[in-house]
Amino acid sequence: GQNIDQPTEMTATEGAIVQINCTYQTSGFNGLFWYQQHAGEAPTFLSYNVLDGLEEKGRFSSFLSRSKGYSYLLLKELQMKDSASYLCAGLDSNYQLIWGAGTKLIIKP
Amino acid sequence: GAVVSQHPSWVICKSGTSVKIECRSLDFQATTMFWYRQFPKQSLMLMATSNEGSKATYEQGVEKDKFLINHASLTLSTLTVTSAHPEDSSFYICSARSLQENQPQHFGDGTRLSIL
Repeated sequence: GQNIDQPTEMTATEGAIVQINCTYQTSGFNGLFWYQQHAGEAPTFLSYNVLDGLEEKGRFSSFLSRSKGYSYLLLKELQMKDSASYLCAGLDSNYQLIWGAGTKLIIKP
Repeated sequence: GAVVSQHPSWVICKSGTSVKIECRSLDFQATTMFWYRQFPKQSLMLMATSNEGSKATYEQGVEKDKFLINHASLTLSTLTVTSAHPEDSSFYICSARSLQENQPQHFGDGTRLSIL
């Protein structure tokens, strides 16, 4: 079966760094997406990885290891507005997105 | 960046009413649009995948006759909740993807539906 695993909830301190891990099992693989979803709002696209390695976009970076079926989202210099759910989603061989349940990130002052 | 417009943002109506939600891609052509439902504090649940010019593909457990989907053009898809009941109250979100299948889905702002 297809499955995306990520922690349910994480807590971090303002100004710190946090890494949200995601492991995936999909039928075929065409890439991995990270989305941010604030409470009561729709998800917004953060990153896409299809090759191994680290992609950096400002304070956010995303890493992929295809051999390990593993990705992480790294958030630096955390701000209060980063409090949100972070959704990991794998793109399978049919280009269908398989969604994780999301990781709720709580930022404390 | 890609913009997807969804409206209405929220709807409150009586039980038995049919409600139509529109989803438009504003600056790109979307051959595929997706309709999701999300209950409070739960993950996104894909309801159906809508391809322009063809019938939508519904996920298991989603009633086709209750959730009517029309994807008449490359920029517009609609979801009609027919004879809505209180248990249909939820946050409905559409997303659109451009022609290339490995492009990200871009989401509309969602429609909060409350059935009294």
